[in-house]
Amino acid sequence: EAEVAQSPRYKITEKSQAVAFWCDPISGHATLYWYRQILGQGPELLVQFQDESVVDDSQLPKDRFSAERLKGVDSTLKIQPAELGDSAMYLCASSSGQGNSYNEQFFGPGTRLTVL
Amino acid sequence: AQSVTQLGSHVSVSEGALVLLRCNYSSSVPPYLFWYVQYPNQGLQLLLKYTSAATLVKGINGFEAEFKKSETSFHLTKPSAHMSDAAEYFCAVSGFGGAQKLVFGQGTRLTINP
Repeated sequence: EAEVAQSPRYKITEKSQAVAFWCDPISGHATLYWYRQILGQGPELLVQFQDESVVDDSQLPKDRFSAERLKGVDSTLKIQPAELGDSAMYLCASSSGQGNSYNEQFFGPGTRLTVL
Repeated sequence: AQSVTQLGSHVSVSEGALVLLRCNYSSSVPPYLFWYVQYPNQGLQLLLKYTSAATLVKGINGFEAEFKKSETSFHLTKPSAHMSDAAEYFCAVSGFGGAQKLVFGQGTRLTINP
């Protein structure tokens, strides 16, 4: 069964350091999402891609966060410099993103970031 | 704008008892509604979804939910709780259409007492 892959699963870093997370969506899925889930809260969308284009990054802290999906397949989310408040689970999801009917989002296992 | 409110951050029931997790939504457009389950240090798994077909939706693991437009609710129920149901549950809303972001509630942690 196809799955969304994420790495690393866990990352510990010190504040002011740079970190990067990787996501490989289900093959053929045009839409890719990055969500951030702070402990005790629900996930919140950071950025949404349609193929290689960003369609929503309104909640992405652009002074320190960046995301790319250069070939419209896998994606990287980067934080530089990391701050204590960035400690969270970072979830990647993908969907076929085709047509106007419902497209289920499939979630990866997430990357848990701890900033010390 | 869309939002979700989950009533009760923590619900505790006995094994075999009814599970009821409450969700109310706000949406300026006809919504799609979802319930997801999350086990510790794992991603989200879709339990069930409402996408404008039947208002009573059946999902995996014996869960079901009823869309009530007049009450703007989408409560999740299971007749008989099992120990394996202990997890975090999230209600989410999105707009109609193919590629829509999910807006999640704060989550409800379900504990099952033996």
